Amino acid sequence: SQQGEEDPQALSIQEGENATMNCSYKTSINNLQWYRQNSGRGLVHLILIRSNEREKHSGRLRVTLDTSKKSSSLLITASRAADTASYFCATDEGGTSGSRLTFGEGTQLTVNP
Amino acid sequence: GAGVSQSPSNKVTEKGKDVELRCDPISGHTALYWYRQSLGQGLEFLIYFQGNSAPDKSGLPSDRFSAERTGGSVSTLTIQRTQQEDSAVYLCASRSGGGSTEQYFGPGTRLTVT
Repeated sequence: SQQGEEDPQALSIQEGENATMNCSYKTSINNLQWYRQNSGRGLVHLILIRSNEREKHSGRLRVTLDTSKKSSSLLITASRAADTASYFCATDEGGTSGSRLTFGEGTQLTVNP
Repeated sequence: GAGVSQSPSNKVTEKGKDVELRCDPISGHTALYWYRQSLGQGLEFLIYFQGNSAPDKSGLPSDRFSAERTGGSVSTLTIQRTQQEDSAVYLCASRSGGGSTEQYFGPGTRLTVT
């Protein structure tokens, strides 16, 4: 079963607007990662935030992590049509799991030109 | 190659046939993962290899599924007596090991069982 739950399931915005996606999880984690998937094929790693971090930035991406609420959010600022994709959060529980990732169901983002 | 490669990219098979899916990880990566993604869904963990350790098979859905990794590099996922519910995209990922937890994904194999 999937640990992560993401909302919204689908998001449609206009180019230039900001997009916010949320992820909730159930167990303690070592870190949380966000991935992007185009056209239902390979995933690309976007950003990683460790359990002792609260916020992280990478270019137009901003990730927050609230371990007390077991939730994370991904903000994409000044969106572009090329940002259209599915976005997944994935949790790494660390320990003996071998950095096995547990993925959420994903948010389908559509950025309209 | 620079990235993870998988073959075939697409596979159509008849129910009851066996299939083999191949993954070539990034050279030097010690960890290799197989995931399955059904249409419109998230990724479901199947199996994990780390170096010479026994693989973590806890995600394999049935005994029809098996995987091996030869020489610590190439991996093959085998599905015996395929069923229609096996239809999905099968994704392979590798990780460099050590302190890195970022996984690098291949393009996947789309399996259709008719």
